[in-house]
Amino acid sequence: DAKTTQPTSMDCAEGRAANLPCNHSTISGNEYVYWYRQIHSQGPQYIIHGLKNNETNEMASLIITEDRKSSTLILPHATLRDTAVYYCIVRTRDDKIIFGKGTRLHILP
Amino acid sequence: GAVVSQHPSWVICKSGTSVKIECRSLDFQATTMFWYRQFPKQSLMLMATSNEGSKATYEQGVEKDKFLINHASLTLSTLTVTSAHPEDSSFYICSAAEFGREDNEQFFGPGTRLTVL
Repeated sequence: DAKTTQPTSMDCAEGRAANLPCNHSTISGNEYVYWYRQIHSQGPQYIIHGLKNNETNEMASLIITEDRKSSTLILPHATLRDTAVYYCIVRTRDDKIIFGKGTRLHILP
Repeated sequence: GAVVSQHPSWVICKSGTSVKIECRSLDFQATTMFWYRQFPKQSLMLMATSNEGSKATYEQGVEKDKFLINHASLTLSTLTVTSAHPEDSSFYICSAAEFGREDNEQFFGPGTRLTVL
């Protein structure tokens, strides 16, 4: 069974913040929330991960709800190059990475 | 960040031939590498886990005699698609976990596109 639920696709205007939701209601206490993205015909790219605190890096911010049952990936100023499939993955550090269907994000000019 | 390369980036072969794909960790040692397959408009599917110096562990439904994996060194794993057929045409992606890294993070290669005629 899938550990995460994501919308199939989303649109975002260029220059705006892209907010990608992910539901993971069955997450365990030792499982992290990871986000990867895959630009067409390339390998996946790591974006960010977190356990329970909000995280920010040069690419994005990750907001995890207090009950850890959902999270949101925020791309603060989306560009056309952010068009990709975004995968939200719940796993422990020792788990294999199992990809779900992800969210296809279209950045509109 | 850590870099993983794959070779070749694309390959076209005739039905019935075998194709070898290499996955290398360029600036780190990887005791564990993973192989994924991705069909058009689908997500990545984990095929197998490759451990240096031991036999690979295959996911359910993946034929180990069809997809031969060798992880002979800490920087190289190879996937050989034996007797390839058109249905094996796919995008093959590897990832590598850096030895000794506390967070056990994996780094992905750029992928190899296989087309079997």
